[in-house]
Amino acid sequence: ETGVTQTPRHLVMGMTNKKSLKCEQHLGHNAMYWYKQSAKKPLELMFVYNFKEQTENNSVPSRFSPECPNSSHLFLHLHTLQPEDSALYLCASSHSRNEQFFGPGTRLTVL
Amino acid sequence: KNEVEQSPQNLTAQEGEFITINCSYSVGISALHWLQQHPGGGIVSLFMLSSGKKKHGRLIATINIQEKHSSLHITASHPRDSAVYICAVGFSGTYKYIFGTGTRLKVLA
Repeated sequence: ETGVTQTPRHLVMGMTNKKSLKCEQHLGHNAMYWYKQSAKKPLELMFVYNFKEQTENNSVPSRFSPECPNSSHLFLHLHTLQPEDSALYLCASSHSRNEQFFGPGTRLTVL
Repeated sequence: KNEVEQSPQNLTAQEGEFITINCSYSVGISALHWLQQHPGGGIVSLFMLSSGKKKHGRLIATINIQEKHSSLHITASHPRDSAVYICAVGFSGTYKYIFGTGTRLKVLA
């Protein structure tokens, strides 16, 4: 069983929907990350939380809203998305700035 | 121009061949990571380097800080090594990372 889980694994939503992605890590790490991976583009860092405090926001549009209630859980709330937001969304965690452990990702399609 | 460049973008090799994937970066970094992504999306961290060389099984990673360059070598390649290999750089004092576009490797039996 992977130490980082993500749900759902696949999500299809309309542009007017509101949905949330969930990430949970069982590794005792302090840092959690959201990444976006679009076709033929490098992985893009979206947000980083360290001990529940946001430390990085990579100029992400406000239609993506992260939430980190504790060091083990991370959410990404989605609302009024655009078709170009369709991508693989990956969560990761790490102990400080050491190697990151990735979840399996959520494949998001926005219609 | 991306701050992290990988070469080649695609690579096909025969089983048993020695493989080298390169990563060059244009900014000062505190550490460099090599990641492996299999079809379906799962990403595994292979190495984290700040200097010198690391070895794990058939994989070897090297970094030259002065030349801003790292290489990932695979010895005695196998079809199960087929994946996308991604280089990422991290910066001192932050949790910010910049990723290369990846090298798609296919090893034929």
